[in-house]
Amino acid sequence: DSGVTQTPKHLITATGQRVTLRCSPRSGDLSVYWYQQSLDQGLQFLIQYYNGEERAKGNILERFSAQQFPDLHSELNLSSLELGDSALYFCASSDPRDSDSYEQYFGPGTRLTVT
Amino acid sequence: AQSVTQLDSHVSVSEGTPVLLRCNYSSSYSPSLFWYVQHPNKGLQLLLKYTSAATLVKGINGFEAEFKKSETSFHLTKPSAHMSDAAEYFCVVSDRWGTDKLIFGTGTRLQVFP
Repeated sequence: DSGVTQTPKHLITATGQRVTLRCSPRSGDLSVYWYQQSLDQGLQFLIQYYNGEERAKGNILERFSAQQFPDLHSELNLSSLELGDSALYFCASSDPRDSDSYEQYFGPGTRLTVT
Repeated sequence: AQSVTQLDSHVSVSEGTPVLLRCNYSSSYSPSLFWYVQHPNKGLQLLLKYTSAATLVKGINGFEAEFKKSETSFHLTKPSAHMSDAAEYFCVVSDRWGTDKLIFGTGTRLQVFP
């Protein structure tokens, strides 16, 4: 158990809808990362937050947004969903102050199916 | 830009025989490198990491990897495969001086036959 939790585990929704994925990082970790794993794109970085502020963006669509709250949990919002958004979405957390580690701890993922 | 290339998409071995999963990296500075494993319908688990200390890195479940700068490689090995090793393995590089984001290889699916 990595200490990172994600809800829900599974989500089935229709095209055009909006969903919110939730992530709680390990206790004390200030950074949260979101990754998408799909059959055609593999595992790719979406976005990073550090202590409530957006720190980096990867291949995140404009229809997607995220935020990190004062209690450090994070939400990934996906809107105007398309069939191609079906994927496994992972959240990871790390403590960037631990400069010897650079390790990210992954949650179990949320499997999103868009029908 | 940082990148990793996993040279084999599938590797099949018999139980009890050695495992070799190959990874080459590209980095303009000293990288942090990782191997993660993903069992079917499971999340990602860190096997081992290299962060510029010892070049031979030992991980969990008997896996190890050697960082070879001259060959820009970070191959994953295990002396004797077990049925429970069957999974997808990802070689990963961290963008240390940028965003800390992880850049994943395309994965190697390891099959272990009895």
